[in-house]
Amino acid sequence: DSGVTQTPKHLITATGQRVTLRCSPRSGDLSVYWYQQSLDQGLQFLIQYYNGEERAKGNILERFSAQQFPDLHSELNLSSLELGDSALYFCASSVGGAQGNTIYFGEGSWLTVV
Amino acid sequence: DAKTTQPPSMDCAEGRAANLPCNHSTISGNEYVYWYRQIHSQGPQYIIHGLKNNETNEMASLIITEDRKSSTLILPHATLRDTAVYYCIVRLSFFGNEKLTFGTGTRLTIIP
Repeated sequence: DSGVTQTPKHLITATGQRVTLRCSPRSGDLSVYWYQQSLDQGLQFLIQYYNGEERAKGNILERFSAQQFPDLHSELNLSSLELGDSALYFCASSVGGAQGNTIYFGEGSWLTVV
Repeated sequence: DAKTTQPPSMDCAEGRAANLPCNHSTISGNEYVYWYRQIHSQGPQYIIHGLKNNETNEMASLIITEDRKSSTLILPHATLRDTAVYYCIVRLSFFGNEKLTFGTGTRLTIIP
């Protein structure tokens, strides 16, 4: 158990809909990262937040957005969903801000768009 | 972050040591070598990391060559539960660049 909690574990929704994925980081971790893993793309970095502020952005679509709240939990919002958005979405956390700090991953949220 | 090269797949007999190589010939002096593994669509699991010296923990050992251009992850007594995709990642962590960049990894299969 990494200490990173993600909900829901599984989600099935229709095209055009909007979903929210939730992540609670490990106790004491200030950084939260979101990754997407689809069958043909591998693990792709989407975005990072540190203590409530966006710190780095990767290959995140404009239809997707994220935020980190004062209690440090984070949400990834996916809108206007398309079939190709079906994937595993991982949240990860770390202390952040220091060289060599380790990133720990949650168990992921399976999103299926039908 | 420097690129890494890993064999796409490897087999290892159960109970033997599994040695997973990684080439990172363009690594810079401040970049760490990290190893993660992913067991069948579970979240990537941290294994070990190092900068220059060899490292050992309860899961594995990491051997980094003196010139730091390659490394080997050693699972000393492989079990069936070690079957997974293993990722070698070179990472320079600084403000705005703390993420891990995953490649395609090595699919390790432990044979009974």
